[in-house]
Amino acid sequence: GESVGLHLPTLSVQEGDNSIINCAYSNSASDYFIWYKQESGKGPQFIIDIRSNMDKRQGQRVTVLLNKTVKHLSLQIAATQPGDSAVYFCAEIYTGGFKTIFGAGTRLFVKA
Amino acid sequence: DVKVTQSSRYLVKRTGEKVFLECVQDMDHENMFWYRQDPGLGLRLIYFSYDVKMKEKGDIPEGYSVSREKKERFSLILESASTNQTSMYLCASSRLTDLNTEAFFGQGTRLTVV
Repeated sequence: GESVGLHLPTLSVQEGDNSIINCAYSNSASDYFIWYKQESGKGPQFIIDIRSNMDKRQGQRVTVLLNKTVKHLSLQIAATQPGDSAVYFCAEIYTGGFKTIFGAGTRLFVKA
Repeated sequence: DVKVTQSSRYLVKRTGEKVFLECVQDMDHENMFWYRQDPGLGLRLIYFSYDVKMKEKGDIPEGYSVSREKKERFSLILESASTNQTSMYLCASSRLTDLNTEAFFGQGTRLTVV
């Protein structure tokens, strides 16, 4: 069935290092992908998105890479800061069907 | 500052009680969603609505119902609360467009059923 999964449930990085969070998806019809950040006690917040006609998109300190061949999505955070500590969710969306599937989440710990 | 507001941050209810979770958004969004979030399972869709008085079942609708009488308000109802409904409940809204389906989330309601 459809699934969005994360390879690592937890990730611990040193402050200043780069972080990479990975995600696999299985629905080839998904045409829109989002990364959300959820801090403790808060709802998920949008970080960055990418459409299926792109393979890379950059934001401020974040980059999302999409590899449709292997159905893989990644979030790269440059110069990770303590404020980046949170749970990160990938989501795949088939915009024609209002279907969003969320991954289980990866918890990112940033060590000072 | 756009907002999705859930009426309660924490709730404790007894088994068998009828529970109402309220959600209001101020962005004039057409779509509204209710998810539950459990450790290791991510966000699972309970119900969603794309218009007033319209509702669609999500992946885990059993034991829940919803109400959308006004565009800005989407209520989740637990008809007879059970302990396996102890969870974090998240409401979200989004615009009805195929160009941007980013969802905006509320802060969540942590429900404990005892």
